[in-house]
Parts: sequence; C-alpha cells; structure tokens
Amino acid sequence: SYVLTQPPSVSVAPGKTARITCGGIDIGDKSVHWYQQKPGQAPVLVIFYDADRPSGIPERFSGSNSGNTATLTISRVDAGDEADYFCQVWDNSSESVVFGGGTKLTVL
Amino acid sequence: EVQLVESGGGLFQPGRSLRLSCPSSGFSFGDYTVSWFRQAPGRGLEWVGFISSKAYSWTTEYGASVKGRVSISRDDSKSIAYLQMNSLKPEDTAVYYCARGDSSGYYFDYWGQGTLVTVSS
Repeated sequence: SYVLTQPPSVSVAPGKTARITCGGIDIGDKSVHWYQQKPGQAPVLVIFYDADRPSGIPERFSGSNSGNTATLTISRVDAGDEADYFCQVWDNSSESVVFGGGTKLTVL
Repeated sequence: EVQLVESGGGLFQPGRSLRLSCPSSGFSFGDYTVSWFRQAPGRGLEWVGFISSKAYSWTTEYGASVKGRVSISRDDSKSIAYLQMNSLKPEDTAVYYCARGDSSGYYFDYWGQGTLVTVSS
C-alpha cells in the first residue's frame, strides 16, 4: 500500500516560517490534503487539493506538491499553531485513504 | 452550522460487537460521503472506511486493517451514518471519528468530536 512519510517533529520560533513535509512516491501525481489536530480535539482540514484553503483558515497556511514531496507551509507562526499535522491522500491502486504518520509542530 | 456527532462508544469486551452512530445536521446529508476514522491513544489517524452518496451508488470502501469486520451504512432520510464493527480486539481501542467527505477529492472537511471505544475484558 502507499506510504506517506512525515518528520515526527518540527520546531520553529514565533514569527518564523514552518515547513512540514510529506513524502511519497510520485506524490505530485496525487491530491494532498492536510489536517491540524490540537490535543483533545478533532482534526481540522487546513489545506485541500495541495494548496486550497477552506474558508476560515488563515492565509498564513499554504501548500505545495511536486515530485515526491508535498509541503505544508505556515508563515508567521504563533503559539496557536502548535499542533499535530497530518497529510492525507487517496490511493487509487489500493482504493484507500492514506495518512502520513503526523508531525508535531512545536513553537519555541 | 455543519455538525456531526458520534455516539455509541464505551467499554466493550473482546469478541463483542459495537455500533456507532453519526447523526448529522446543517448540510444536505445525502449529497456527501461519510467516512469513519480512528485514533488509538497517542497514535496517528487511521482510516476505517467510508460510504459514498447515492450519486456514487452508496459505494463502501474499508481499510485493510478492519476489512471483513466492519460495515458502514447510512440512512439518508434521518441524516445518520453507522459503523458496525464485529469481533472486537483490544487493538480496536481508539477514539472513533466520523467526518463529511468530498467524493471527488476524498478529503474530509467536517469532523465530529469523536467517541472513545475501549476494548478490554
């Protein structure tokens, strides 16, 4: 089955830019979606179709996808962005929803 | 306001069955896919399965780890989706979420708050 690889953790200082990667074979050929999950809460969709933002998600959140890596970028990071972030795709060959293992974003 | 609210969680003995419900409101329920996910304590998100809308013939798909033990159904007249899981194992212990899905892109834009299922003797 298709595997998505995320770094377990990313740390960034307030006001700086955080980049969270999601690796997969030819992931650029798939649509990647990103979710934010804060402790004790349900996931929240922050990016869909690689780079689209749902209403209510700040413009500070952006996404890109090419080759073997998709990236979630969070600019001007603040303490409220501390959370786990998960990438997700639909894998046609296995007909399954696949998640990355998740990345814990820490704001220093 | 779009809302999905899971219910039916609790403590279950190994080998027993559970049925979770996901009543929904605030949107045209019948037009959307509904998916179930779970998250074991301290772990990542795992897809359990989904049921598509009538437009996609109510197709169901299930995750490999639960296939054969799980059935997802829906009652569009009541805006409710269900998850039936049989032969429960301790490793099924998790918070179970239902979520509204977009059939064309397989992303999930509204999630319930989750219900905890504990499988233990």
